[in-house]
Amino acid sequence: QLQLQESGPGLVKPSESLSLTCTVSGGSISTSAYYWAWIRQPPGKRPEWVGSIFYSGSTYYNPTLNSRVTMSIDTSKNQFSLKLNSVTAADTAMYYCAKTTGSNFYWGQGTLVTVSS
Amino acid sequence: QSALTQPASVSGSPGQSITISCTGTSRDVGGYNYVSWYQQHPGKAPKLMIYDVSNRPSGVSNRFSGSKSGDTASLTISGLQAEDEADYYCSSFTTSTTWVFGGGTKLTVL
Repeated sequence: QLQLQESGPGLVKPSESLSLTCTVSGGSISTSAYYWAWIRQPPGKRPEWVGSIFYSGSTYYNPTLNSRVTMSIDTSKNQFSLKLNSVTAADTAMYYCAKTTGSNFYWGQGTLVTVSS
Repeated sequence: QSALTQPASVSGSPGQSITISCTGTSRDVGGYNYVSWYQQHPGKAPKLMIYDVSNRPSGVSNRFSGSKSGDTASLTISGLQAEDEADYYCSSFTTSTTWVFGGGTKLTVL
């Protein structure tokens, strides 16, 4: 059964970059059947789609974050990654990676990232 | 991108049925059959309950059903149980090739 595991620093300083990796196990990331996504949820707020990436490297980003976000995929490691630049306290959230087919989003367990000095 | 509109709260007694609405526009809910619903208990990750408007993932109770009419999608829970008390979020694909979530609905089982 496919599993997704987020990893990365839990604390990031304001104005620095947030970098997270999602490791996919139990299946190949190099498939045309799925997109791979990042979703975040600030404490007490609704989830927010951050972006999606295809195994070929094609990306789609949330326009509200577009200038600060970069997603990449490493098929040799079965991983995909998120980088968010110039973070502020508003970027504090649970960050989830997900596998998507249509509107079928299969989420990882998430990792909490706090932006604070 | 604007969030989809959900009622802030709904409530029902055990055994009853409730419906949660999710209103968007022709650029999202009304334009695609890519609407999903998530259940979230406190401190837990969201759990997919319905995808592609009305499909249930394996393992989800058939007490949960989804539908759509025009720009509004709905989640119905029948035979309400105490463990159904949670926050519920809808999500939809949009014409901008993005995904948007609803503001969330808190379900209280009386």
